[in-house]
Amino acid sequence: TQLLEQSPQFLSIQEGENLTVYCNSSSVFSSLQWYRQEPGEGPVLLVTVVTGGEVKKLKRLTFQFGDARKDSSLHITAAQPGDTGLYLCAGVGNNYGQNFVFGPGTRLSVLP
Amino acid sequence: GAGVSQSPSNKVTEKGKDVELRCDPISGHTALYWYRQSLGQGLEFLIYFQGNSAPDKSGLPSDRFSAERTGGSVSTLTIQRTQQEDSAVYLCASSLAGSSYEQYFGPGTRLTVT
Repeated sequence: TQLLEQSPQFLSIQEGENLTVYCNSSSVFSSLQWYRQEPGEGPVLLVTVVTGGEVKKLKRLTFQFGDARKDSSLHITAAQPGDTGLYLCAGVGNNYGQNFVFGPGTRLSVLP
Repeated sequence: GAGVSQSPSNKVTEKGKDVELRCDPISGHTALYWYRQSLGQGLEFLIYFQGNSAPDKSGLPSDRFSAERTGGSVSTLTIQRTQQEDSAVYLCASSLAGSSYEQYFGPGTRLTVT
């Protein structure tokens, strides 16, 4: 069974601060996705990383896929209140069918 | 274009009753997923459809849960004899195909079993 862990579970910071959240597994994934979910809505895809060691940037967000494709990180620079939400990582596995394994999420609160 | 829609948005039911949750995926999306999310938690995979067939039902928690998809489009998740532990948000997602394509999520159905 492929499992994903995320840390920290909760994070509360002031506007303008930087932060990093982590997604870890003992399993290898063919790719990994990051989603953000706001209250009352479904998750929305932010990025997909495919290649080990890959780094992708989305404005103030930087995503990295570990060399071994078992872990990933999300770094936010100069966080803003609009970044508040639940950040979920999802591993895309190699087994037909249950292709997506979601982590438990990091709940981020950015205070003005 | 319309996104994934789910109905009802909220459902309150008494323990022991049956409920049906509906998902309308994005037109043309062949893959459809059901997930369950308890308060403040991550997503728990329930079932995956490719077209009308469900190659992976491994996530269904018990035989009280079933799902079907007709015409390669609308899907219904049925929970029989609901229990309080079934209370959660049930999310549906669709994608162009299985595997690594982007999933588009609906807003979910919040189920409360009293």
